[in-house]
Amino acid sequence: ETGVTQTPRHLVMGMTNKKSLKCEQHLGHNAMYWYKQSAKKPLELMFVYNFKEQTENNSVPSRFSPECPNSSHLFLHLHTLQPEDSALYLCASSVPGLTLPSSGNTIYFGEGSWLTVV
Amino acid sequence: RKEVEQDPGPFNVPEGATVAFNCTYSNSASQSFFWYRQDCRKEPKLLMSVYSSGNEDGRFTAQLNRASQYISLLIRDSKLSDSATYLCVVAHTGTASKLTFGTGTRLQVTL
Repeated sequence: ETGVTQTPRHLVMGMTNKKSLKCEQHLGHNAMYWYKQSAKKPLELMFVYNFKEQTENNSVPSRFSPECPNSSHLFLHLHTLQPEDSALYLCASSVPGLTLPSSGNTIYFGEGSWLTVV
Repeated sequence: RKEVEQDPGPFNVPEGATVAFNCTYSNSASQSFFWYRQDCRKEPKLLMSVYSSGNEDGRFTAQLNRASQYISLLIRDSKLSDSATYLCVVAHTGTASKLTFGTGTRLQVTL
């Protein structure tokens, strides 16, 4: 069981659709992240939020729009995606400004949302 | 050159074998090093941090060589349950948002 929950676990959408991915963490963290994992590529950091404020946008196309209404919830709104956006989207959380390595602290991932754009 | 490079494998080893993975990183200013484990279609989970002096956790030993800019993971007495992809992770600052992941090395332990 994970302290970071993502829904939906699987999503198939057309290029003209609008959908959203949801992430919820039950760990009392205040930093949340979106990562993208494509086949045969390393995890790519997309966005970082600290205390609901976006602190990093890793040059992500505007067709991906994050939203963080509070420290426990994070959304990724998707619109007019391309087939190459098909990937595993992972949400993660941590203590803000987590200093690594730190005993007992790390970055925790949700199980991910498998996205297929057709 | 990739920031973090790993041999993708797969490494196929029998149960009980010892297996070692290496990972090289390009940023000499890197400060923090980790191994994560990712099971098929699951999320990555921290396996262990890697300290300058090397560290051991049960059957797992991690080593860091700053001069040559590589880290290693040694697994002794492999179990079937060790089958997974092992991700080398490097941070050039002390903060989680600066983690750089390798593509991973896949390990398959067989009977």
